[in-house]
Amino acid sequence: EVQLVESGGGLVQPGGSLRLSCAASGFTFSSYWMHWVRQLPGKGLVWVSRINGDGSSTTYADSVKGRFTISRDTAKNTLFLQMNSLRAEDTAVYHCARDPDLRGYSFLENWGQGAQVTVSS
Amino acid sequence: DIQMTQSPPSLSASVGDRVTITCRASRRITNYLNWYQQKPGKAPNLLIYAASSLQSGVPSRFSGSGSGTDFTLTISNLQPEDVATYFCQQSYSTPYTFGQGTKLEIK
Repeated sequence: EVQLVESGGGLVQPGGSLRLSCAASGFTFSSYWMHWVRQLPGKGLVWVSRINGDGSSTTYADSVKGRFTISRDTAKNTLFLQMNSLRAEDTAVYHCARDPDLRGYSFLENWGQGAQVTVSS
Repeated sequence: DIQMTQSPPSLSASVGDRVTITCRASRRITNYLNWYQQKPGKAPNLLIYAASSLQSGVPSRFSGSGSGTDFTLTISNLQPEDVATYFCQQSYSTPYTFGQGTKLEIK
């Protein structure tokens, strides 16, 4: 069974940093693209970032580029999101998700339950 | 960025009804369109990928259609457990944008 479990969320002041982790199990981690998606307090979904299987290719939303870094440790089957220079508008639940990239089609086949990030003074 | 517009924002239907949710892309995305269902307190769940391919394990009353800019999610024979918010998402080009969601309730 595929499992994705996020951790590392919390309350942080504006300008601060947090590192989210996503522990993956039940599949060959290095064979899948992985994504971070955030869900805003108003419940909308916003795509944040993605990384390929070996970590050599990453993409970011403009709103987080230069502040957030996605990475993965294939030996530990763990995905990361390093978030720096946090702003109030980064407040959200952050989900990691698995993407099989089937025949060139990207879709989010499995999601973690999410980690709450609150940026407030 | 490609903008995704869903309609309606909310709807109420009766058990057994046929329900249709639409999603329009701001430019052509061929069939790079996915649909997700999110129940309260849960993570989103993939229903349909590549516009019309049913994800394994999803009931056959869910179907997707469309190509280019206009897409549809149809739920035939609506069931009480279908109460949820439904999102479309384009995966034609990054950033992979989502629609704003459609909240479905039972009358």
